[in-house]
Amino acid sequence: EPEVTQTPSHQVTQMGQEVILRCVPISNHLYFYWYRQILGQKVEFLVSFYNNEISEKSEIFDDQFSVERPDGSNFTLKIRSTKLEDSAMYFCASKTGPDTDTQYFGPGTRLTVL
Amino acid sequence: QKEVEQNSGPLSVPEGAIASLNCTYSDRGSQSFFWYRQYSGKSPELIMSIYSNGDKEDGRFTAQLNKASQYVSLLIRDSQPSDSATYLCAVRRRSGGSYIPTFGRGTSLIVHP
Repeated sequence: EPEVTQTPSHQVTQMGQEVILRCVPISNHLYFYWYRQILGQKVEFLVSFYNNEISEKSEIFDDQFSVERPDGSNFTLKIRSTKLEDSAMYFCASKTGPDTDTQYFGPGTRLTVL
Repeated sequence: QKEVEQNSGPLSVPEGAIASLNCTYSDRGSQSFFWYRQYSGKSPELIMSIYSNGDKEDGRFTAQLNKASQYVSLLIRDSQPSDSATYLCAVRRRSGGSYIPTFGRGTSLIVHP
């Protein structure tokens, strides 16, 4: 069964460094999402992406964050200058099209900022 | 003001019983409503979506929506130990010019044999 994959599973970085989290959505999916979940807290929506542009973003998704679909398979989240409070699990998700709400989540990347 | 509120639990029920999970939301203009299941250390998985007032049933799961009371619930019939997980309520609420998904903190459900 096709699934969303994310790499790496765990990323450790120093405060102020740039990180890129990578996702490979399911191949025929057109809508892509990033969420984060700080340990013990709620899942938070960051951004949605369709047709090579951001369609929705939350207040969390400020200028420190960017997303890109550099080729036909990868979908990346870049954090330019990481802060301690960026430490969280980051989930990528994808769905086929506008007629469904079923998003398929990847296993997540745990980001630890030291 | 918390946008989506859930009792954190844990809610403990015996195997075979009905588990009732509740959620309230603050934005009266919220549209779609969702229940996700999240096992410890895993990613969320969509169980049910509901868009209009009333009940929606899917197998052992029933979602109930009351927009006037700003209330969403999930009933799990014939609860199994494998249902033990955290259940996340999510709504699409207005933020600026669009609607974004907003999650509650989740209710931990424990189904004991």
